Amino acid sequence: AQRVTQPEKLLSVFKGAPVELKCNYSYSGSPELFWYVQYSRQRLQLLLRHISRESIKGFTADLNKGETSFHLKKPFAQEEDSAMYYCALRADRGSTLGRLYFGRGTQLTVWP
Amino acid sequence: GAVVSQHPSWVICKSGTSVKIECRSLDFQATTMFWYRQFPKQSLMLMATSNEGSKATYEQGVEKDKFLINHASLTLSTLTVTSAHPEDSSFYICSASGRAETQYFGPGTRLLVL
Repeated sequence: AQRVTQPEKLLSVFKGAPVELKCNYSYSGSPELFWYVQYSRQRLQLLLRHISRESIKGFTADLNKGETSFHLKKPFAQEEDSAMYYCALRADRGSTLGRLYFGRGTQLTVWP
Repeated sequence: GAVVSQHPSWVICKSGTSVKIECRSLDFQATTMFWYRQFPKQSLMLMATSNEGSKATYEQGVEKDKFLINHASLTLSTLTVTSAHPEDSSFYICSASGRAETQYFGPGTRLLVL
């Protein structure tokens, strides 16, 4: 069965420090992986997706199929990065085609 | 960019009444809309998936007679919580996807049942 695991519920770093938010998944097909971010009192919004292989707001994430991971990284965290981050997997087949499976989320706090 | 709106943004109702929440895609046609429920400090739980013009597909454990979903057009889906009870109090979020399949999320509706 498909599953998305974000082991850290809370993560705190100081401004300028590197940050890595972990995400592991299990899925039998070829998943599409996403990172969504939810800033305080705002809606959930797409941060990046693995097929785009792009950097958004300094964040990158590489899909590692061997380790079934999709960790989100940023070399120098900023205070405005403080938010809730959700890793999500989209099914590619069957009756669950298109639906997203979310991890429990990691609350990132960047201290000044 | 793609925008999804929800109305109302918050609602308080008495136990036993029904509440309707609207989800609209403002600048694109949403072939699929999703309804989620989010408990405080927890992740989103998918309740149901709806495709325009067809019946919604409910997740296991979600009562279809309790949470009525209608996706009458490519820009509007509604979730009706029937005979609401205090345990239905939650944050309800919809998302919509069009041809690009990326899901765009609404701002959510906070429901409080007294």
